[in-house]
Amino acid sequence: GQNIDQPTEMTATEGAIVQINCTYQTSGFNGLFWYQQHAGEAPTFLSYNVLDGLEEKGRFSSFLSRSKGYSYLLLKELQMKDSASYLCAVRGRRGGNKLTFGTGTQLKVEL
Amino acid sequence: DSGVTQTPKHLITATGQRVTLRCSPRSGDLSVYWYQQSLDQGLQFLIQYYNGEERAKGNILERFSAQQFPDLHSELNLSSLELGDSALYFCASSGSGREGTQYFGPGTRLLVL
Repeated sequence: GQNIDQPTEMTATEGAIVQINCTYQTSGFNGLFWYQQHAGEAPTFLSYNVLDGLEEKGRFSSFLSRSKGYSYLLLKELQMKDSASYLCAVRGRRGGNKLTFGTGTQLKVEL
Repeated sequence: DSGVTQTPKHLITATGQRVTLRCSPRSGDLSVYWYQQSLDQGLQFLIQYYNGEERAKGNILERFSAQQFPDLHSELNLSSLELGDSALYFCASSGSGREGTQYFGPGTRLLVL
C-alpha cells in the first residue's frame, strides 16, 4: 500500500517563497506528481518527478529524494492566485497508472 | 481547459436512486480514470480503463460500476445511492507516454438528499 503525508495548511506572504513538503511510503515507486486545486475545481497538473533531483518550471519547482521518500514543491514570487490546495500524488509500480493522493496542503497567500 | 469533458456538471438526486456520469477523454488518450473527492476523504481512486478494458481497481463500492466504450468515452454508474455518496466525481485521462500524466475533467458534483 501507499501512505502520503503533507501539512494540512500553510500561510505565506505575496511575493515570498514557500516550500510544501510531502513524505510517502510505498511498496513500489514509479513517479510523484504535484497538482494544484482551487476549491470546487479540477486538479491541474504542476510537475512530475521520477528520478532524484530538482525539476524547475517557471515559478514552480519540485524536488524528489527516493531514498528518503520525500518530495517538496517550491513556489516562488507568490501571487494571490496561488492560494489553493496542493496535492502530492504517488504512482506505484503495480496497479496500472493509478495515483494515490495525499489529503492536500491548503495554501493561503496574504498581502 | 484540460480537454477532458464531463457531464452533467451538477446532479441532485434522492437516496436509493441510480445515476450515470459521463466522461470524454482528451483526444488520443486511451486511459480513463475515475476519482471520488469528498470533504473528509480527499481524492480517492475508483477505477481505470484502458482502451475499453478494466486496468486497475481502487476502493470502488459494489454499488458502483463503470465502462469504457469503443469511442473511448466512459460512464460511471452509481446505484442505490446513499447520503454518503455525495461528493465530487472526477474523470481523468492520460496518454501512452512514459510520464502518463493524468489530466482531470471539471468534475460532476453529486448531491444525494
